[in-house]
Amino acid sequence: QKEVEQNSGPLSVPEGAIASLNCTYSDRGSQSFFWYRQYSGKSPELIMFIYSNGDKEDGRFTAQLNKASQYVSLLIRDSQPSDSATYLCAVNKAAGNKLTFGGGTRVLVKP
Amino acid sequence: ETGVTQTPRHLVMGMTNKKSLKCEQHLGHNAMYWYKQSAKKPLELMFVYSLEERVENNSVPSRFSPECPNSSHLFLHLHTLQPEDSALYLCASSPSYRLSGELFFGEGSRLTVL
Repeated sequence: QKEVEQNSGPLSVPEGAIASLNCTYSDRGSQSFFWYRQYSGKSPELIMFIYSNGDKEDGRFTAQLNKASQYVSLLIRDSQPSDSATYLCAVNKAAGNKLTFGGGTRVLVKP
Repeated sequence: ETGVTQTPRHLVMGMTNKKSLKCEQHLGHNAMYWYKQSAKKPLELMFVYSLEERVENNSVPSRFSPECPNSSHLFLHLHTLQPEDSALYLCASSPSYRLSGELFFGEGSRLTVL
């Protein structure tokens, strides 16, 4: 079982719709959770992090964490073509421990 | 210059060559990282330095040798590499090792080993 799993996609979303990305992790001791966006040919960029169960909103992005079910999700509202990228989920056991990345979900927003 | 800068951006080397990748961060961060990104594989952590001391060596072959002379600079020395080492090597920094999830990445060095 992979430590951090994501559907590789591509997830095709019409412009203006909600993109929903999921990530599951295997280590119950995981404490902090991160979403990175990586455009083709570019380096990853941190867009969200979440530490507590529940929802966290930042602009058009919402991160959702459910530690009991060991999943974290990212919602992108009002999707734009500029949101087309690969989204990487990353999980940390505790502060300072190794950050483990998933393989990423490729999102395509079609006008 | 701002952020995290990496040089060279592209590197082609033979298996017997010795080369180095350089990373510099202008963010005042205390932790620096080397990650490897290969096609079809997740980002892999290679090395972590916190306040110039190595705190992680993630079972990386000895043909990769890191060096951190100060908190702003990080090098990755390469020697006798294999073709399977061809990948994108990403340098990153974070405010501290405790905040190792909040990474700022450089643009990467694309390495091709012939």
